[in-house]
Amino acid sequence: DAGITQSPRYKITETGRQVTLMCHQTWSHSYMFWYRQDLGHGLRLIYYSAAADITDKGEVPDGYVVSRSKTENFPLTLESATRSQTSVYFCASRDSGSSYNEQFFGPGTRLTVL
Amino acid sequence: QKEVEQDPGPLSVPEGAIVSLNCTYSNSAFQYFMWYRQYSRKGPELLMYTYSSGNKEDGRFTAQVDKSSKYISLFIRDSQPSDSATYLCAMTYLPGNTPLVFGKGTRLSVIA
Repeated sequence: DAGITQSPRYKITETGRQVTLMCHQTWSHSYMFWYRQDLGHGLRLIYYSAAADITDKGEVPDGYVVSRSKTENFPLTLESATRSQTSVYFCASRDSGSSYNEQFFGPGTRLTVL
Repeated sequence: QKEVEQDPGPLSVPEGAIVSLNCTYSNSAFQYFMWYRQYSRKGPELLMYTYSSGNKEDGRFTAQVDKSSKYISLFIRDSQPSDSATYLCAMTYLPGNTPLVFGKGTRLSVIA
């Protein structure tokens, strides 16, 4: 299917475990983003990537690791999950040639850390 | 103070009402302004995009930017139950390499 997909859609894990959230887009967009969305905080940028092998920190990067070996994939890893990382995580992508700076969002991953 | 402030609501209106959603911002360098709509349990999607000051209309939706006051608005005319969603404002300095800065979102319910 064309578009941007995230997996898993729901995940429950325990404190201290490593968790990887997957993001895949079929448009060959150069930019990809990870956000977390929490009540009272809105959407906050965790990491973003301008191209394969180029990543940069956003507003709330601590406790997260990203990689981008292929243009279409942008996994987000929580190396040692904490309860404060319970959130809904959204991946997004954008075409570098877009004059509108429109970001296309995935359906989200709802993560619960017990 | 956050760069972008948005009243989280919730806002509840009867069907057919005119809805006004607003954001204020502190950074005068912002030039590009967007409104995203997010339905429950979905990702946000771009609704309106404006550059600099002025109004932009698209059907029942009007986006307004007042850079002198650092204030943007989204108006929804003849609101419908299908407009029930969370509306997030977003803005950036340049359309290219800079990330978007989002407001917290306003939850809107349109009651039939």
